[in-house]
Amino acid sequence: AIQLTQSPSSLSASVGDRVTITCRASQGITSALAWYQQKPGKAPKLLIYDASTVESGVPSRFSGSGSGTEFTLTISSLQPEDFATYYCQQFHSYPFTFGQGTRLEIK
Amino acid sequence: EVQLVQSGAEVKKPGATVKISCKVSGYTFTDYYMHWVQQAPGKGLEWMGLVDPEDGETIYAEKFQGRVTITADTSTDTAYMELSSLRSEATAVYYCAASSTISYYFDYWGQGTLVTVSS
Repeated sequence: AIQLTQSPSSLSASVGDRVTITCRASQGITSALAWYQQKPGKAPKLLIYDASTVESGVPSRFSGSGSGTEFTLTISSLQPEDFATYYCQQFHSYPFTFGQGTRLEIK
Repeated sequence: EVQLVQSGAEVKKPGATVKISCKVSGYTFTDYYMHWVQQAPGKGLEWMGLVDPEDGETIYAEKFQGRVTITADTSTDTAYMELSSLRSEATAVYYCAASSTISYYFDYWGQGTLVTVSS
């Protein structure tokens, strides 16, 4: 199975900060990567797919990049509602796998 | 509006079987694969498997193979996930999630169903 490793595992930041989360795949997955946001007690929400395509309705401060084995999710200017846990997911091959998550907390 | 509405919380004893439902509205049921994802308390997300509602074909993660059965009923636009031989480690929230048949990222999610396994 393809392993996804996110870094950092947790992050403290302030409103207005620029934040980047990295997701590394154990083997090449072309651009078959998605990012999700999950808030406590809620289902994950799709933010980015195909590594860099922003889902409809997602604020433009969210962006994704990368291909192959290294990917990034960037939030250009943190808003209060962005404090959550973020997961990457590969859909290149079975079994589909997720990163371990990055918890974004208020500093 | 797309909705995936799951059945309610369950409490089961070790060794029992649980079956969770996921009723779809707002899109054509057979146009999307339905996946199931497990999330243990305080832990990350783990993909369990999928069903193609068009023909009932399934693919399961090796970890769950032999214990999970995912089905789809096109007469009621409802997907099901049955997990057998429950152990305490199966205590988790289970989500249904829909993807296109071309790219398997999860566009739509159910609200989650908590399954507690306890003697």
